[in-house]
Amino acid sequence: AQKITQTQPGMFVQEKEAVTLDCTYDTSDPSYGLFWYKQPSSGEMIFLIYQGSYDQQNATEGRYSLNFQKARKSANLVISASQLGDSAMYFCAMEETAGNKLTFGGGTRVLVKP
Amino acid sequence: NAGVTQTPKFRILKIGQSMTLQCTQDMNHNYMYWYRQDPGMGLKLIYYSVGAGITDKGEVPNGYNVSRSTTEDFPLRLELAAPSQTSVYFCASSQTGTGKEQYFGPGTRLTVT
Repeated sequence: AQKITQTQPGMFVQEKEAVTLDCTYDTSDPSYGLFWYKQPSSGEMIFLIYQGSYDQQNATEGRYSLNFQKARKSANLVISASQLGDSAMYFCAMEETAGNKLTFGGGTRVLVKP
Repeated sequence: NAGVTQTPKFRILKIGQSMTLQCTQDMNHNYMYWYRQDPGMGLKLIYYSVGAGITDKGEVPNGYNVSRSTTEDFPLRLELAAPSQTSVYFCASSQTGTGKEQYFGPGTRLTVT
């Protein structure tokens, strides 16, 4: 069975600074994918970034980048130049190739301070 | 496009009552999903479907049923509601294939008392 662990329940970050959110995973599948979603206080789920297990380069999307270390089974999200609007819950999720089902971690709450 | 829509937004049920949560997507996605999110937790998969007429259980299917008669609709049925089913329910859809973003609906907040 797949397992996703986010060990940081909450973090403060100063506006304009970078923040790294940790995510470790466990799977026996050689092919898998890792997603990060943002959930603001309004409740919607917003896709941020995706990394495939066979991708050679770390994924980047604007201010978001994924530090993928396959041997360590980690897929940490880096948010650069934090903004007040980045305050939210952030979820790491692993994709099973059969049906593209997602297994979510418990989330990390980020609060950006002005 | 409306994306993924869910109704109702909020609902209070009494123990033992039943209800159906509606989910519709207008993106012609084959894959659809139902998740629940308990307070302060991540999402857990209840049921999913890879196409009309095909459904399968996720991690926490007990107490729920689904059907998929059309590509667009994927209703979730709660039979004999229990307090443990108090949660926020999210419907999502995605294109076929790996690495495809799941598009989520706004969620339904359900309280069972």
